[in-house]
Amino acid sequence: AQSVTQLDSQVPVFEEAPVELRCNYSSSVSVYLFWYVQYPNQGLQLLLKYLSGSTLVKSINGFEAEFNKSQTSFHLRKPSVHISDTAEYFCAVTGLTGGGNKLTFGTGTQLKVEL
Amino acid sequence: DAGVTQSPTHLIKTRGQQVTLRCSPKSGHDTVSWYQQALGQGPQFIFQYYEEEERQRGNFPDRFSGHQFPNYSSELNVNALLLGDSALYLCASTNNPGTNVALHFGNGTRLTVT
Repeated sequence: AQSVTQLDSQVPVFEEAPVELRCNYSSSVSVYLFWYVQYPNQGLQLLLKYLSGSTLVKSINGFEAEFNKSQTSFHLRKPSVHISDTAEYFCAVTGLTGGGNKLTFGTGTQLKVEL
Repeated sequence: DAGVTQSPTHLIKTRGQQVTLRCSPKSGHDTVSWYQQALGQGPQFIFQYYEEEERQRGNFPDRFSGHQFPNYSSELNVNALLLGDSALYLCASTNNPGTNVALHFGNGTRLTVT
């Protein structure tokens, strides 16, 4: 079984400032890791994913996350945020085998970008 | 290209009643999963359907059941509703029942049990 911890429930930040949303996971098997974003009254959209290979993965809108196996972390970062980045961000994990489409999500981090 | 569509968008039911939620997967997708997202929480996996069979199930009681039709659409049924069943129910689809794929989510059905 897997679990995900997102320690920060809310992260306020000013526009154009950098941000880091923290995610730690626990698993007895190797994992795939995901970040999803949820805008108000909408479903979840995939932001980025780590499956294998380079431990640094990037999205098309400037977010990046680094898989750190020794620290069991997959923190999300953006060097300069925009008002439109205001949303709820969820970290998720699934085991390499046998998991099907079962994702285990964290409780989410609300990113609020202010002018 | 239509994404994942869910109906209805909102629903109010009374404790003890039964409810059916519906989901049409994204075009080209054949695998559907259902998630429950309580207020202020992350989504929790209910079950996954592929080839009209339940393939994976999370820690939900038997009151939660589902079905997948030959056209890949799916239903989630919840019997004997409890106040704690109030949540956003999300449907997700993929074209692969394996693990290393990205789920495409619908906008959800907001269920309120009074």
